[in-house]
Amino acid sequence: QVQLQQSGPGLVKPSQTLSFTCAISGDSVSNNSATWNWIRQSPSRGLEWLGKTNYRSKWYNNYAVSVKSRITINADTSKNQLFLQLNSVTPEDTAVYYCARSVNTAMVLWGQGTLVTVSS
Amino acid sequence: QSALTQPASVSGSPGQSITISCTGTSSDVGSYNYVSWYHQHPGKAPKLMIYEVSNRPSGVSNRFSGSKSANTASLTISGLQAEDEADYYCSSYTSSGTVVFGGGTKLTVL
Repeated sequence: QVQLQQSGPGLVKPSQTLSFTCAISGDSVSNNSATWNWIRQSPSRGLEWLGKTNYRSKWYNNYAVSVKSRITINADTSKNQLFLQLNSVTPEDTAVYYCARSVNTAMVLWGQGTLVTVSS
Repeated sequence: QSALTQPASVSGSPGQSITISCTGTSSDVGSYNYVSWYHQHPGKAPKLMIYEVSNRPSGVSNRFSGSKSANTASLTISGLQAEDEADYYCSSYTSSGTVVFGGGTKLTVL
């Protein structure tokens, strides 16, 4: 049974970097039929897809235009973990952040979600 | 990429059927059969209910069905039950290789 366990800070100061980890069990982050996503949700922006990574002989990433200049998604195959970094955060980045496994863009499995607040 | 358009709220009585629409463009919903639907209860992560327009994952009730016409996808819930009360979201693959979500619809079971 595949499970996604998220970890990350609950509070980040403006202009700092937000970092999240998604620990994957029951599957491999480098599984060449899986795609791994980061999604966030806030009352003002609803559900917002941030980006994805997958391994097809090499790593491929794709990011939402809204965060493309500030986001990095990568993975550590030795730890079987997925990471999200979002730079130069503002209060607008306050949201619940989810990692999710997708198949043909359908998010078949979600992490538990982690609320992060951007505030000084 | 603009969010897909969903009605803010719909309601129905137990046993009735309701339909939630999800309108996109020819760059997303209209061009790909990669439309998904999710429901979300308060404080929980979304759960996949429909994928690739009309397919149900294992374990999802056959009261849930999906369809698509041109740039609009639809989710129909028949035989409405109290536990169906939740927020519903659609999503679609886009021509940019990204994913876009709808703004969400709050379903109230009267």
